[in-house]
Amino acid sequence: QSALTQPRSVSGSPGQSVTISCTGTSSDVGGYNYVSWYQQHPGKAPKLMIYDVSKRPSGVPDRFSGSKSGNTASLTISGLQAEDETDYYCCSYAGRYTLIFGGGTKLTVL
Amino acid sequence: EVQLVESGGGLVQPGRSLRLSCAASGFTFDDYAMHWVRQAPGKGLEWVSGINWNSGSIGYADSVKGRFTISRDNAKNSLYLQMNSLRAEDTALYYCAKDRTSGYDSIDYWGQGTLVTVSS
Repeated sequence: QSALTQPRSVSGSPGQSVTISCTGTSSDVGGYNYVSWYQQHPGKAPKLMIYDVSKRPSGVPDRFSGSKSGNTASLTISGLQAEDETDYYCCSYAGRYTLIFGGGTKLTVL
Repeated sequence: EVQLVESGGGLVQPGRSLRLSCAASGFTFDDYAMHWVRQAPGKGLEWVSGINWNSGSIGYADSVKGRFTISRDNAKNSLYLQMNSLRAEDTALYYCAKDRTSGYDSIDYWGQGTLVTVSS
């Protein structure tokens, strides 16, 4: 059970798009369509942004989108806003009733 | 409104035990799987354990397997985590979390967490 691999940090200017990758294996990301993404502001509980690879919960702006190719999932944030600056985590079902998170990515809006 | 309220955290010596509880409200508890997720100070999220709606499918992270036990009482709308043989590396904020489904999918609601500190 090694954590999914995410870049430690990404950055972009307001209005631009950024993509955060999440790389696993065929036993987790590649094997199931149960990839989710969470946004966590400092001192707050995480918030679900994407589930089942590409579905958005109600209330999440359509600027947030998810996709998957092979063992790598991606979160794309378009039209970057200052409020998007925070930490993001991916998560995948990993079989045998387990979940696994990525190490987290800090997004900086320049 | 979904509410998840954790309790039971605190300072404990290495090797001792602690039991966390989570009181759930605002949804039909026995329709959903539940999880415990922890976050060490300044670190990322780590899934600890999960339990499906009827306790028939239970899983643990390798880091806690054999030491922690998850359980639920659907009559009391409550989730528990029995933590034995605690180690310094178990120090973290422990979140109670609701799955979006009856199985293992994604987490749509989180509590505010209860802090566990393992230190002599």
